[in-house]
Amino acid sequence: GEKVEQHESTLSVREGDSAVINCTYTDTASSYFPWYKQEAGKSLHFVIDIRSNVDRKQSQRLIVLLDKKAKRFSLHITATQPEDSAIYFCAASSGSWQLIFGSGTQLTVMP
Amino acid sequence: EAAVTQSPRNKVTVTGGNVTLSCRQTNSHNYMYWYRQDTGHGLRLIHYSYGAGNLQIGDVPDGYKATRTTQEDFFLLLELASPSQTSLYFCASSPGLQDTQYFGPGTRLLVL
Repeated sequence: GEKVEQHESTLSVREGDSAVINCTYTDTASSYFPWYKQEAGKSLHFVIDIRSNVDRKQSQRLIVLLDKKAKRFSLHITATQPEDSAIYFCAASSGSWQLIFGSGTQLTVMP
Repeated sequence: EAAVTQSPRNKVTVTGGNVTLSCRQTNSHNYMYWYRQDTGHGLRLIHYSYGAGNLQIGDVPDGYKATRTTQEDFFLLLELASPSQTSLYFCASSPGLQDTQYFGPGTRLLVL
């Protein structure tokens, strides 16, 4: 079955810099790639997603890139702010199969 | 925004005990999910359902039963709880499998 590997378990950046979180997946049939954010002590909420018919999607300061050949996708957070500090989870699903989540990246934005 | 609630928020039980975790969503979503979150593993799917009376097995179903009694309500049952089931449990709902999932606040379960 699908496996999703999230490469950075922790990431620290300076406020105002960009942060990049990388994920790879194994199932070539995967077509849906969402990202979720979990602030300290809270639940998860959706931040952005990308589907396999495009290779780039942007929502304000968030950019998702998808490289289907390499089976890799990444979340770019530009002009980071302290409120971006959280755990970010990538996920992937193929067709009628459920989402498989990565293990999470703890992002810390330092002032 | 979708509303997903869970109860209880915290639960302590002993090994061999029975536990029922409840989840309710009020946006008429078809799909509901139970996940467990453990450090180093991210979220792992236990069971999910696409409607009342339906149940699908997830990736880590052993030791868990689930039941979807209505469109709104999805229950997770641990009939003989073990310390390995100590975890943070999240319920979520979505319109379809490849749609945004809305998560509940979580239930922290400790099995002594």
